[in-house]
Amino acid sequence: AQSVTQPDIHITVSEGASLELRCNYSYGATPYLFWYVQSPGQGLQLLLKYFSGDTLVQGIKGFEAEFKRSQSSFNLRKPSVHWSDAAEYFCAVGAWGGGSYIPTFGRGTSLIVHP
Amino acid sequence: DVKVTQSSRYLVKRTGEKVFLECVQDMDHENMFWYRQDPGLGLRLIYFSYDVKMKEKGDIPEGYSVSREKKERFSLILESASTNQTSMYLCASEYSGSSYNEQFFGPGTRLTVL
Repeated sequence: AQSVTQPDIHITVSEGASLELRCNYSYGATPYLFWYVQSPGQGLQLLLKYFSGDTLVQGIKGFEAEFKRSQSSFNLRKPSVHWSDAAEYFCAVGAWGGGSYIPTFGRGTSLIVHP
Repeated sequence: DVKVTQSSRYLVKRTGEKVFLECVQDMDHENMFWYRQDPGLGLRLIYFSYDVKMKEKGDIPEGYSVSREKKERFSLILESASTNQTSMYLCASEYSGSSYNEQFFGPGTRLTVL
């Protein structure tokens, strides 16, 4: 069965600083990987996804993620964090469920941004 | 824009009550999903559906059932609510016709069972 580990429960950064959120996955086949963001009081929104091809994936809101097969990782990065980036971030790995790639989510990383 | 709406943002019920959580999407998506979200556990899949009258169990279906009589509506049912079902419930929908596989989420229903 597939699984996702987000080792950091909370991350605190200063506004304008760079950000990296870690994600490690376990999956027997080629992984389909996602990053979602959940702002306070909101549902989840897809930031980016990786299916194949270029291992550096660009997403919305200035985020990018790099797939590293040798490390089973899919870390999320942003060069300069804005206060509005404070949210919960979820990494997910998709497994084929017969009609869709069903995501298995990690436990989430809460991003706190200091002014 | 895709819109996924959930019938209530907050709901308080008593142990043993039958609870209905409703989800409606307006983009003619075939696939719909119910998750529960608990602090420190992330999202866990309860049930999903690929078409009207179809349903598939997710990772934690015990204590829940679902109904999909119309394409746009996917209901989650707690036959006899218990305190351990106090949680945030998130509904999502997805278009099955491409490989994009983006799920669109509703704002969630925070259910408290007393």
